[in-house]
Formats: sequence, C-alpha cells, structure tokens
Amino acid sequence: AQSVTQPDIHITVSEGASLELRCNYSYGATPYLFWYVQSPGQGLQLLLKYFSGDTLVQGIKGFEAEFKRSQSSFNLRKPSVHWSDAAEYFCAVDLDAGNMLTFGGGTRLMVKP
Amino acid sequence: DTGVSQNPRHKITKRGQNVTFRCDPISEHNRLYWYRQTLGQGPEFLTYFQNEAQLEKSRLLSDRFSAERPKGSFSTLEIQRTEQGDSAMYLCASSLTGANPSIGPQHFGDGTRLSIL
Repeated sequence: AQSVTQPDIHITVSEGASLELRCNYSYGATPYLFWYVQSPGQGLQLLLKYFSGDTLVQGIKGFEAEFKRSQSSFNLRKPSVHWSDAAEYFCAVDLDAGNMLTFGGGTRLMVKP
Repeated sequence: DTGVSQNPRHKITKRGQNVTFRCDPISEHNRLYWYRQTLGQGPEFLTYFQNEAQLEKSRLLSDRFSAERPKGSFSTLEIQRTEQGDSAMYLCASSLTGANPSIGPQHFGDGTRLSIL
C-alpha cells in the first residue's frame, strides 16, 4: 500500500545539538515532497519542499532536507536545534501535482535546555 | 499576504447538531483543500476545489459532510447530524497551481477545532 512513514514518534534532543527526522515513502514514482511544522493548536507551516533538481533543499529556520531516491527517503536535518524548534513535524507527499497531500504520522520534537 | 483564515477557531456542539466552518484562502490561490486531523495523527485529505469546482472527495467524506466554494473564493464545510467521531481539527489549505511544474505548495490555516459533547 502507498504510505508515508515517520518512524520516530517522539525525539528529544538537547539545545544546540544536531537533529535528523526520518521520512520514508512507498510509491512507485517520485512524488513531490514536503516538510511541515505544527505548534500546539496551530496550523501547519511549510518548512521546505522538493519538486526536482538538486536533492539537497534548504528551507526556513535553518532546516534542510535531502531526497534519496534509492532509499525512498526525505530526511529533515538541522545542525543546531533551538528551544523554539520544539513542535510536531510532518512529512508529506503529493503524487499528483497538486491534488492532495498524504501525510506521515508526525514526529514530536522536544528540546532539552 | 494575509494567509489562510479559518473561522471559528473552536466549535463545541452537541451530538446531532449541524455545524458549518468557513475558510478564506490566500486571495490569488485557485485551489482550496480541506483536511481533518485527529489527536496525535497527521492530517487526512477530505476534498479539494479548483476555483468553484469540487474535483475530488475522499472516502472519509461521508454523506453528512458537504463542502462548497460558490464563487471560487471562500469555502464552507458543513457537517450534518454530528457524531462523536467527528471531533477533530479541520484544516483548510490553499495553493496557486498552474501549468506543470509551477506547482505551488499548500499553505494552511490555523484550523477549526470541533468538539462534540
């Protein structure tokens, strides 16, 4: 079945440490790929997107993500986490050029002082 | 860019009542989407519009749900005869989608949280 998987439900990192959030998808073709962040009680904010071209994409707030076709992965990274990064992070795919997004289950990030 | 606006932010109602939510997209965006998000889960697609035409509906959208976008601007989502299982956050998103590959990403509102008593 087609799906988006975020294997880590919760991650806790210390402030200033590096971060990697995992995302894998199972589709035949390469979809359009997105990372969104959601703070409690809020909507989703787009961090970055991959459509084609350079497989390393830069986003807002110092985040980047790398698309690896061979691993069907689109992992999100940040070299140094800030306390304000604590939130829920969602990976999403668009298979059909703007029809709908399919989301992973999310990863909740907690940041220790 | 005023962003996607959703009203109300919270709605509490008794089971069996009808509720209606409104979404105002970013003004130049031609596509409008509705999603539902339950606690601890990612959003799930419900339906989307291109201008005023409703182009796709999910199986999640039962007969009690109806969405409209009458003039291709704002949209409403109505739930009739609400049930406990309808309690969720209802998210609206919009995008500017033109000729491939000019696909605009979806921008989300802050959602309407529905609680069924």
